[in-house]
Amino acid sequence: GAGVSQTPSNKVTEKGKYVELRCDPISGHTALYWYRQSLGQGPEFLIYFQGTGAADDSGLPNDRFFAVRPEGSVSTLKIQRTERGDSAVYLCASSLGGMGSPLHFGNGTRLTVT
Amino acid sequence: AQKITQTQPGMFVQEKEAVTLDCTYDTSDPSYGLFWYKQPSSGEMIFLIYQGSYDQQNATEGRYSLNFQKARKSANLVISASQLGDSAMYFCAMRATGNQFYFGTGTSLTVIP
Repeated sequence: GAGVSQTPSNKVTEKGKYVELRCDPISGHTALYWYRQSLGQGPEFLIYFQGTGAADDSGLPNDRFFAVRPEGSVSTLKIQRTERGDSAVYLCASSLGGMGSPLHFGNGTRLTVT
Repeated sequence: AQKITQTQPGMFVQEKEAVTLDCTYDTSDPSYGLFWYKQPSSGEMIFLIYQGSYDQQNATEGRYSLNFQKARKSANLVISASQLGDSAMYFCAMRATGNQFYFGTGTSLTVIP
């Protein structure tokens, strides 16, 4: 079946602009996660959805970052007033849930803020 | 606090040899899961192997095995018969109660022909 789909694959934006990153999880996966990965680093947790609600948003770095999952499937990560430090690869992953269920990752969106 | 530590930034292994990638974790939760992922230069994150905290036997998946030592809080990945395509970043991750996944900083593995 189809894997996790993230669009766009690359996004270049100017400092101060607003961006939206989209994630379409594997069908039937109730859990959806957003991570941010900088070069040479491990994935850094941002937010986790169980269904439509954000079960844990403790990783969002500040109030410029927001994510939604209105129908419990597709999710959008929104970044306002982008800064150069926001440049990274944003990874989305979905999971069936349950301790032994692994995360299935998309290919990521590479965000570059100029 | 939950934490994953990978102390080897880079490792080299001769083709066809075995290699062990280290991972230690810290959690007070009695129930947790440990995962290993491979990230080639293309950037995709590929799930390799899973070990549950209550599993009595070490997990194995093909050439991958997990050396789980619960008392030492370690979950090392062993790759046998290394291949050139094994060259990649490898990440250890832990899932504890609350469904949060914690990742280590990764180990870069280079397989030498």
